[in-house]
Amino acid sequence: ELKVEQNPLFLSMQEGKNYTIYCNYSTTSDRLYWYRQDPGKSLESLFVLLSNGAVKQEGRLMASLDTKARLSTLHITAAVHDLSATYFCAVEETSGSRLTFGEGTQLTVNP
Amino acid sequence: SAVISQKPSRDICQRGTSLTIQCQVDSQVTMMFWYRQQPGQSLTLIATANQGSEATYESGFVIDKFPISRPNLTFSTLTVSNMSPEDSSIYLCSAWGQGAWTGELFFGEGSRLTVL
Repeated sequence: ELKVEQNPLFLSMQEGKNYTIYCNYSTTSDRLYWYRQDPGKSLESLFVLLSNGAVKQEGRLMASLDTKARLSTLHITAAVHDLSATYFCAVEETSGSRLTFGEGTQLTVNP
Repeated sequence: SAVISQKPSRDICQRGTSLTIQCQVDSQVTMMFWYRQQPGQSLTLIATANQGSEATYESGFVIDKFPISRPNLTFSTLTVSNMSPEDSSIYLCSAWGQGAWTGELFFGEGSRLTVL
């Protein structure tokens, strides 16, 4: 059974600081997804990582995938309050199939 | 991107009743997925709905409790039967994007159910 673990689960940081969220998974996969969820809202797709060594950046967020280590990271640079949300990673076992989600990281960026 | 519409967006239900959630996708898709998100928790897959065949349920979820219909390639329903307060959750419909959006899994806005 595929397991996906994120850490930390809760992250409180100051504006302007940098931090990394980690996502480990238990089985071979080269397809990993990051989503953002604001309170009371649905999931917004942030990044789709489809190969070992994939790196994608959007604004202050950068995601990477190391399939050999079964690890993805979501790096936050110079955080701003608008980044406060819950971030989920999710792993796809086989192409076009379902996603298994991590527990989520609740990020709070304080002024 | 794929546009996925769900109805109702929220509802308050009485214990013992059933509620059907509708999901409409703006393009034809082979598989649709139903997830549950309990308060403060992550997403858990309930079942995969394939057009023309029975839904495939995940461990811990059964058809009698969560019957699913998939009458065509753009529509699905999930019924939450004989509800109890433990069924209070957000139920999310999802589907893979098509065309330029192939490889991305999109989600509906969710249906927030509160069972009293």
